[in-house]
Amino acid sequence: DIQMTQSPSSLPASLGDRVTITCRASQDIGNYLRWFQQKPGKSPRLMIYGATNLAAGVPSRFSGSRSGSDYSLTINSLESEDMAIYYCLQHNEYPLTFGSGTKLEIK
Amino acid sequence: EVQLQQSGAELVRPGTSVKLSCKVSGDTITAYYMHFVKQRPGQGLEWIGRIDPEDDSTKYAEKFKNKATLTADTSSNTAYLKLSSLTSEDTATYFCTTDLDYWGQGVMVTVSS
Repeated sequence: DIQMTQSPSSLPASLGDRVTITCRASQDIGNYLRWFQQKPGKSPRLMIYGATNLAAGVPSRFSGSRSGSDYSLTINSLESEDMAIYYCLQHNEYPLTFGSGTKLEIK
Repeated sequence: EVQLQQSGAELVRPGTSVKLSCKVSGDTITAYYMHFVKQRPGQGLEWIGRIDPEDDSTKYAEKFKNKATLTADTSSNTAYLKLSSLTSEDTATYFCTTDLDYWGQGVMVTVSS
């Protein structure tokens, strides 16, 4: 199975900060990488697909990038509504595998 | 707009089975792979498997092969997840999702005697 190593597990940040969350894939997954946002008691929300593409309705302060086997989600100018848990997911091959999650919280 | 409506919360006894439903509206279910995802309380997301309602082909994560069964009914635009031989380890919220884009609201399954 492909392992997705996500870091950090917790990320204290201040409003207005720029933050980056990273997932490293244990095998080649191409650009079959998605990022999800999950708030307490809610379903996951697709934020980024194809590693770098913004999903519909997602604010432009979110962006995704790739460097080799490292995939990053960057949020520019943090807003209070961005506080949530973020997960990466590889869907290049079965079984699909999620990262362990990053809890973004106010410092 | 595609919407997914999942069945209600379940309280079930250990050793029994439960069947959860996920009804798609706004599009035909055959346009998507239907995936199911598990989330234990306070834990991360875990992929269970997916079904192609077009031909009923399925893929499962290895640990769910003897636990979960995915089916679909194209006449009612609904996908189902059946969980068998339930234990406390199955206590979780289960989500359905169309191609990992649109998600249901989740259904909480509590396994307790």
